Amino acid sequence: DSGVTQTPKHLITATGQRVTLRCSPRSGDLSVYWYQQSLDQGLQFLIQYYNGEERAKGNILERFSAQQFPDLHSELNLSSLELGDSALYFCASSPRERAGTSGSDEQFFGPGTRLTVL
Amino acid sequence: AQKVTQAQTEISVVEKEDVTLDCVYETRDTTYYLFWYKQPPSGELVFLIRRNSFDEQNEISGRYSWNFQKSTSSFNFTITASQVVDSAVYFCALRDRNTGKLIFGQGTTLQVKP
Repeated sequence: DSGVTQTPKHLITATGQRVTLRCSPRSGDLSVYWYQQSLDQGLQFLIQYYNGEERAKGNILERFSAQQFPDLHSELNLSSLELGDSALYFCASSPRERAGTSGSDEQFFGPGTRLTVL
Repeated sequence: AQKVTQAQTEISVVEKEDVTLDCVYETRDTTYYLFWYKQPPSGELVFLIRRNSFDEQNEISGRYSWNFQKSTSSFNFTITASQVVDSAVYFCALRDRNTGKLIFGQGTTLQVKP
């Protein structure tokens, strides 16, 4: 158990709908990363938050948005869903904002949310 | 551009065989961190090891060992005496120094047959 929790575990919805994925980082971790794992794209970074602020963006669609709340949990919102959005969405947390020369923190991943868009 | 390549898509071995998973990376950073993660059939991503570019000492942990060679930009992973429970997808990843994001390879599916 990594200490990172994600809900729900599975989500089945229809095209055009909107869903919210939730992530609670490990106790004390300030950084939250979201990744998408799909068959054609592999594991791709979407977005990072650190202590409530957006820090980095990857290949995240405009239909997707995220936020990190004062209690440090994070939500990933996916709207106008398409068939191609079906994927496993992972959240990961680490203590610091980014790696520095003084050290690095591994990212611990949650169990993922499997999204199926029908 | 930063990139991680795992050229082996699938490997199949018989239990007790040794198996090496290859990873080649590209980065212009002089300081960087490399990782291996395991994804068993249940789907979660399990952290295995982290290695920084300053430390080329190879490591052995039980049946696992890692061979990091800066000269060839490789960070290979070996399982000795493989077991059926080792069957999983293994990902090599490079950490982006500026953003902290992980750049993953395509993954290698390892199947260990009894």
